Amino acid sequence: DQQVKQNSPSLSVQEGRISILNCDYTNSMFDYFLWYKKYPAEGPTFLISISSIKDKNEDGRFTVFLNKSAKHLSLHIVPSQPGDSAVYFCAASEQGGSEKLVFGKGMKLTVNP
Amino acid sequence: KAGVTQTPRYLIKTRGQQVTLSCSPISGHRSVSWYQQTPGQGLQFLFEYFSETQRNKGNFPGRFSGRQFSNSRSEMNVSTLELGDSALYLCASSRTGGAHETQYFGPGTRLLVL
Repeated sequence: DQQVKQNSPSLSVQEGRISILNCDYTNSMFDYFLWYKKYPAEGPTFLISISSIKDKNEDGRFTVFLNKSAKHLSLHIVPSQPGDSAVYFCAASEQGGSEKLVFGKGMKLTVNP
Repeated sequence: KAGVTQTPRYLIKTRGQQVTLSCSPISGHRSVSWYQQTPGQGLQFLFEYFSETQRNKGNFPGRFSGRQFSNSRSEMNVSTLELGDSALYLCASSRTGGAHETQYFGPGTRLLVL
């Protein structure tokens, strides 16, 4: 049973517009969430994280929102750039959990010039 | 500061063989975790090593094993390879492996089992 779900496999947006990537989780014990970006033939690159004690975290063009009651988080990229085109993974961890990070299956973002 | 390095980058093996993959963490990082990425299952946690001890383990068969050396470098071994073991194997490091610590990934080793 998937504990972290990224239900949309792909998203296409125009350069300069907002990209919104969504992620749902089922394990209420998760207390730390991360987003990674992955280019082909490379390992995932850390983007941004959020602790469960917060509901928003910003870093430049990237903002992550956490809705604990809905067990939902989203990554906003504003403005989107062609270089943002990659696969984005949502990941979660639980204090004391047996798995370091539990990942979603990823979403491919394409930003068109 | 150099990132996480993994060797080799690509590997082709046949069923029944065994394979050893290597990971060198970022300098100063003592926790090393291994993940398997496949198209069907996504990224799945294999195990974590800290101070030469396996601290956490995912849901993989005993054919998958690892170890960590005193310099924090880690190796992962897969014995009796199966076709389904074809995957990208990723290593990630963090300073202490705390639950709220960011893990930094290497480029991965792509294993093809024929």
